[in-house]
Amino acid sequence: SQQGEEDPQALSIQEGENATMNCSYKTSINNLQWYRQNSGRGLVHLILIRSNEREKHSGRLRVTLDTSKKSSSLLITASRAADTASYFCATDGGAAGNKLTFGGGTRVLVKP
Amino acid sequence: GAVVSQHPSWVICKSGTSVKIECRSLDFQATTMFWYRQFPKQSLMLMATSNEGSKATYEQGVEKDKFLINHASLTLSTLTVTSAHPEDSSFYICSADDRGVGKLFFGSGTQLSVL
Repeated sequence: SQQGEEDPQALSIQEGENATMNCSYKTSINNLQWYRQNSGRGLVHLILIRSNEREKHSGRLRVTLDTSKKSSSLLITASRAADTASYFCATDGGAAGNKLTFGGGTRVLVKP
Repeated sequence: GAVVSQHPSWVICKSGTSVKIECRSLDFQATTMFWYRQFPKQSLMLMATSNEGSKATYEQGVEKDKFLINHASLTLSTLTVTSAHPEDSSFYICSADDRGVGKLFFGSGTQLSVL
């Protein structure tokens, strides 16, 4: 079963707007990661946040982690058409050990 | 960053045949590789963990005799779908852990279509 649940499942925005997606998980984790997948391609690692961290930035990406709520958010600022992709959160730790468990993903469409 | 090469990118085969998919870590050694299956618009489902020099560890519900995994070297893992049937049609993706860095590097995936 999937550890992470993401919402929204799909998101459509205009270029220049911000995109926010959320991930919730059920058990304790060591790390939470966000990945991006272009259609029909493999996944690309975006950012890793450790369980003792609350916020992390990488370029136009901002990730937050609230372990008390077992949730994380990914914010993409000033979106571009090239940001169109599916975004997945993935967790490790707990019963899964070092294996990553992926959320259902958020499909983001950035319209030019 | 680390590069994982997966091929073929796509394959079409007849029902009953076997298909081999290769996953190579090009610039690092991977003692552990992972194989996932992904249906359209769905998430990745872990099928098995491939361990160099030992047997793969399969997730619950994945038939080990159906999906043969071989990890004979530190840079190559193969997944063979034996006696493929139309229901095996899916997108298969491999990934590798660069010596416990904590993040995975993914191959570009293989789209398998069984006729």
